[in-house]
Amino acid sequence: ILNVEQSPQSLHVQEGDSTNFTCSFPSSNFYALHWYRWETAKSPEALFVMTLNGDEKKKGRISATLNTKEGYSYLYIKGSQPEDSATYLCAFRGGATNKLIFGTGTLLAVQP
Amino acid sequence: DAGVIQSPRHEVTEMGQEVTLRCKPISGHDYLFWYRQTMMRGLELLIYFNNNVPIDDSGMPEDRFSAKMPNASFSTLKIQPSEPRDSAVYFCASSPRENEQFFGPGTRLTVL
Repeated sequence: ILNVEQSPQSLHVQEGDSTNFTCSFPSSNFYALHWYRWETAKSPEALFVMTLNGDEKKKGRISATLNTKEGYSYLYIKGSQPEDSATYLCAFRGGATNKLIFGTGTLLAVQP
Repeated sequence: DAGVIQSPRHEVTEMGQEVTLRCKPISGHDYLFWYRQTMMRGLELLIYFNNNVPIDDSGMPEDRFSAKMPNASFSTLKIQPSEPRDSAVYFCASSPRENEQFFGPGTRLTVL
């Protein structure tokens, strides 16, 4: 059974704070690591697809890093805004399959 | 592009009834995925197709569940007979080749 774990489970921050959360995944048979943003009552929206060890990706105030040797990825949000409030999901893809194994997500609440 | 289209958006049915969920993927996407989201298990993959062919159905809970993709623009997920424990949000997603997945709005199923 492949385990994809995210921490913390939930996070409450003030507007303007910077924050980060972690995704841990199997370090063997790695193919790709996906990050999704999931707002309440909407569907998950892709943020990043990361494939190479040491990858860093950025979209606006959100960035992510990847360490495939030790099996973790960090997602950073700089200067959080209330509209960043959502659940952030990571998903691991191993080997030749196109199957994604999702973590349970980190619920971020940004208070104005 | 309209994105991934799912219907119905909400379905309430009684135990024992047949339920059919429908999905139209984004045109040109080679892959189609069916997911189920519950509080207990998070987002879990049920089955995925590549070029209309089922590739991995290991996530399908039991024989009551079946999925078809008769052509590149349509897929169904059928539950017969439905049970209260099938109540969940069912998402369809599609992707071009092996890239990020685009999710539909989901179907919220309630089995009484």
